Amino acid sequence: EAQVTQNPRYLITVTGKKLTVTCSQNMNHEYMSWYRQDPGLGLRQIYYSMNVEVTDKGDVPEGYKVSRKEKRNFPLILESPSPNQTSLYFCASSRRSEANVLTFGAGSRLTVL
Amino acid sequence: DAKTTQPPSMDCAEGRAANLPCNHSTISGNEYVYWYRQIHSQGPQYIIHGLKNNETNEMASLIITEDRKSSTLILPHATLRDTAVYYCIVRVVGSSNTGKLIFGQGTTLQVKP
Repeated sequence: EAQVTQNPRYLITVTGKKLTVTCSQNMNHEYMSWYRQDPGLGLRQIYYSMNVEVTDKGDVPEGYKVSRKEKRNFPLILESPSPNQTSLYFCASSRRSEANVLTFGAGSRLTVL
Repeated sequence: DAKTTQPPSMDCAEGRAANLPCNHSTISGNEYVYWYRQIHSQGPQYIIHGLKNNETNEMASLIITEDRKSSTLILPHATLRDTAVYYCIVRVVGSSNTGKLIFGQGTTLQVKP
């Protein structure tokens, strides 16, 4: 089944403890991106990647890092999480030819205490 | 990208057609109309998109007015599982940050038995 898989789905952590949210897609998509969703603010793009080793900042990149060493994986790294990064995170991917037709993962709900 | 305006909420009876309007009066000639939906806290799901012709797929139909200033998403036989927030998004194809979608507040569709 074609899908975007995120892990973990739920995580409660403490301020400053580094964590990684993994994202993997099995559709051979070139584009991948991370969004966060917060009440009243909607979905906002954090980082995106147009292909392997090519990444760039979205609208809210502060406090996050990403890497794209392989086509299928696009992990989101929080080096020193803070409570304002408590959010629902979505990874998405798409083909280069249909870049706005995104397939989203199921989401990762992160709580930083 | 052109701004979109959608009603905040709508109701629909199960089995009836759900018609969700979207206004995009400032749309430019190279901007497509995309529709996504998000069932409570799940990842957004792509539904359909179009430029100026009406489009239909297994999920829905998209009707775009001749002047392209508005569109309507039609779910022909709504079921309870169609209860979700529906987002209308206008986006250029081929822009530098392809795959970045601006999700507004959308329309919350409540399908009632």
